[in-house]
Amino acid sequence: DVKVTQSSRYLVKRTGEKVFLECVQDMDHENMFWYRQDPGLGLRLIYFSYDVKMKEKGDIPEGYSVSREKKERFSLILESASTNQTSMYLCASSLGLAGTDTQYFGPGTRLTVL
Amino acid sequence: AQSVTQPDIHITVSEGASLELRCNYSYGATPYLFWYVQSPGQGLQLLLKYFSGDTLVQGIKGFEAEFKRSQSSFNLRKPSVHWSDAAEYFCAVASSNDYKLSFGAGTTVTVRA
Repeated sequence: DVKVTQSSRYLVKRTGEKVFLECVQDMDHENMFWYRQDPGLGLRLIYFSYDVKMKEKGDIPEGYSVSREKKERFSLILESASTNQTSMYLCASSLGLAGTDTQYFGPGTRLTVL
Repeated sequence: AQSVTQPDIHITVSEGASLELRCNYSYGATPYLFWYVQSPGQGLQLLLKYFSGDTLVQGIKGFEAEFKRSQSSFNLRKPSVHWSDAAEYFCAVASSNDYKLSFGAGTTVTVRA
């Protein structure tokens, strides 16, 4: 079974702090994704990576950056956390294109910014 | 741009009753369509997906969905719900040459005894 793990289930940070969310997948998948989930808005794509050191902006990249130094690990970085970044963050991975290969999701990190 | 609409924010259904969740999409070409479920405290799990061929798709946990091109819909159904089906359900769409999924806002299902 594919396993996608996220470093924390719950995280509380203060405004202005630099925040790192880590995601690891164990199936040698090429693609990794970071989504943000908010009530009434569903999941919105922040960034994705289709190869090591490669990244592309999703629909809501503002205020976020990402890092993928190794194939299995994809980090989401909030350079200076703000209260409007309080949300559930979901990581996912897939082998190929969304149309042909399933995206597998981690359990999520609920981030609260005070 | 592709988009997905789930008209129902919240549905309450009795255990043993049937369930239908609506999904409408907007996309120029033939879409790839998905239903995911998120149980409380869990990540998303794929229930089923439609790429082509038979418009009635069978998934896990006894769910099925029907693709209707004329109505731009991909509704999810289950004949008899169990208490464990209480969850949030997301419809998603992708194109054939894209890495990205576009999700609907989700429908929360409550199952009453």
